[in-house]
Amino acid sequence: RKEVEQDPGPFNVPEGATVAFNCTYSNSASQSFFWYRQDCRKEPKLLMSVYSSGNEDGRFTAQLNRASQYISLLIRDSKLSDSATYLCVVTPETHSGGYQKVTFGTGTKLQVIP
Amino acid sequence: DVKVTQSSRYLVKRTGEKVFLECVQDMDHENMFWYRQDPGLGLRLIYFSYDVKMKEKGDIPEGYSVSREKKERFSLILESASTNQTSMYLCASRYREETQYFGPGTRLLVL
Repeated sequence: RKEVEQDPGPFNVPEGATVAFNCTYSNSASQSFFWYRQDCRKEPKLLMSVYSSGNEDGRFTAQLNRASQYISLLIRDSKLSDSATYLCVVTPETHSGGYQKVTFGTGTKLQVIP
Repeated sequence: DVKVTQSSRYLVKRTGEKVFLECVQDMDHENMFWYRQDPGLGLRLIYFSYDVKMKEKGDIPEGYSVSREKKERFSLILESASTNQTSMYLCASRYREETQYFGPGTRLLVL
């Protein structure tokens, strides 16, 4: 089983729709979780961190389910500009040198259609 | 704003050439990383460094080496480029356990 798994999509949704992505992780000791956004031919950029209590930033809501070992990203009222690939990021363990190994999912592609 | 820059956006090299990819960050971050990104495989860690002159192998270090002589600069070296090293190379930096900031990437084509 991969450390971090995402449905690659693409998710094709109309403008204004609500869409949700999940990301499952295998290591129950995972500590920190993030969602990154990557536009075509650009670098990934942090979208939001995922806290145990869940967090919201405008139209975006991120949640963590430790019991089932997944994180989710909900996008409400989708805009054309939301079209991108969304990467989930998990820090599963602490390296012996104090570094926390970071694992990226392969991403879920979202295409918002006019 | 954190700024991570990479020496080239696009690079074309021939098989067997030695290739240097440079990454510079301006925020005094201890941790720096080199990834490659390929379709369907996502981001894979090649090497990382958590201090000057310190380096650790990531998941796919074969065929690569790195150098970190100064805190702000982390170089990736392909000793003898091969066609299977054609990829998008992304550098990132991070302060301790906070989020990673990526450079714009270098698209390398090895012919």
